[in-house]
Amino acid sequence: QKEVEQNSGPLSVPEGAIASLNCTYSDRGSQSFFWYRQYSGKSPELIMFIYSNGDKEDGRFTAQLNKASQYVSLLIRDSQPSDSATYLCAVGGNTDKLIFGTGTRLQVFP
Amino acid sequence: DTEVTQTPKHLVMGMTNKKSLKCEQHMGHRAMYWYKQKAKKPPELMFVYSYEKLSINESVPSRFSPECPNSSLLNLHLHALQPEDSALYLCASSQRFRDEQYFGPGTRLTVT
Repeated sequence: QKEVEQNSGPLSVPEGAIASLNCTYSDRGSQSFFWYRQYSGKSPELIMFIYSNGDKEDGRFTAQLNKASQYVSLLIRDSQPSDSATYLCAVGGNTDKLIFGTGTRLQVFP
Repeated sequence: DTEVTQTPKHLVMGMTNKKSLKCEQHMGHRAMYWYKQKAKKPPELMFVYSYEKLSINESVPSRFSPECPNSSLLNLHLHALQPEDSALYLCASSQRFRDEQYFGPGTRLTVT
């Protein structure tokens, strides 16, 4: 079982829709959760982080964390073509490093 | 300001060359990281410096040699690399170890 799992996609959504990206993790001791956006050929950009159960909103982005079920999700409201990218979930836990998922490719079509 | 800078943007080197990658941040962050990323893969951690001391070395071959001259700078010295070392090399920093990490733009390295 992979430590951090994401559906590779592509996830295709129409412009203006809500994109829902999911991530599950195996280490119950995980304490910090991050979402990075990465455009092709560019470096990862931190867009959300969450440490406590529940929802955290920032503009069009909402991160949701459920530690009991060991999943974290990212919702993107009013999706735009410029949101088309690979979204990396990263989890920090008992080990001293971030564990990255393999990423979900999101495509937003006009 | 959450800016991490890296130079050079691109680097082509032969297998016998010696070169260095540089990373700089002025956010007062005390943890700095080197990652390697191959196409369509997530970043792989190479080294972590915390308070200018090497705290993690992920069993990286000795042809990669990190250096942290001060709290704002991080170098990666390269020597006798192999073609399979061609990748995007990313530097990141965080306020403290285990806090959220901010990545620089990366150096695209090609070994010929």
